[in-house]
Amino acid sequence: QKEVEQDPGPLSVPEGAIVSLNCTYSNSAFQYFMWYRQYSRKGPELLMYTYSSGNKEDGRFTAQVDKSSKYISLFIRDSQPSDSATYLCAFGNSGNTPLVFGKGTRLSVIA
Amino acid sequence: GAVVSQHPSRVICKSGTSVKIECRSLDFQATTMFWYRQFPKQSLMLMATSNEGSKATYEQGVEKDKFLINHASLTLSTLTVTSAHPEDSSFYICSARPMRAGGVSEAFFGQGTRLTVV
Repeated sequence: QKEVEQDPGPLSVPEGAIVSLNCTYSNSAFQYFMWYRQYSRKGPELLMYTYSSGNKEDGRFTAQVDKSSKYISLFIRDSQPSDSATYLCAFGNSGNTPLVFGKGTRLSVIA
Repeated sequence: GAVVSQHPSRVICKSGTSVKIECRSLDFQATTMFWYRQFPKQSLMLMATSNEGSKATYEQGVEKDKFLINHASLTLSTLTVTSAHPEDSSFYICSARPMRAGGVSEAFFGQGTRLTVV
């Protein structure tokens, strides 16, 4: 079983739609859960960061973590064309170790 | 959020020359930084972990003599691609994780460097 699984897409939605992006993981030692957005030819940008099960909301973005199911989600409400990017889930342990990334989901929001 | 600055953003060099990429944490200290390589439409591939004051730790399959890493201070790590060849053309990205109370934290990334070797 892969440590992290993320559907690569591509995912295409109309403007204004609710987008749901998901990742599953197998490593119970993961303590930190993150979502990054990466535009073409740019470095990843941190969107959401949490370390507990439940929901965390920031504007149009909601991150959801279910540690019992080893499943995390990112919801984007009222999606905009500017949300078109690749979204990467990432997981971290304690200690200064590299994050483990999903392969990324390419999202296109069509005006 | 914390800021990581990477320079240059784009470089074109001739085959056989060396290229240095700098990664700086602007508002926090980073004892450890990470270097990634990314091919078009693919995910990040960890190349090495850069440790301040000691040798870098390279991932399997990454040539340490080809990709020289120096972590000279708590805010600066450099990646030098030596004797570059066209197959080294890629997007290189650095990242660092600030130390926070209670442990480590999320990672912040530089803007990336697009290297083209001709």
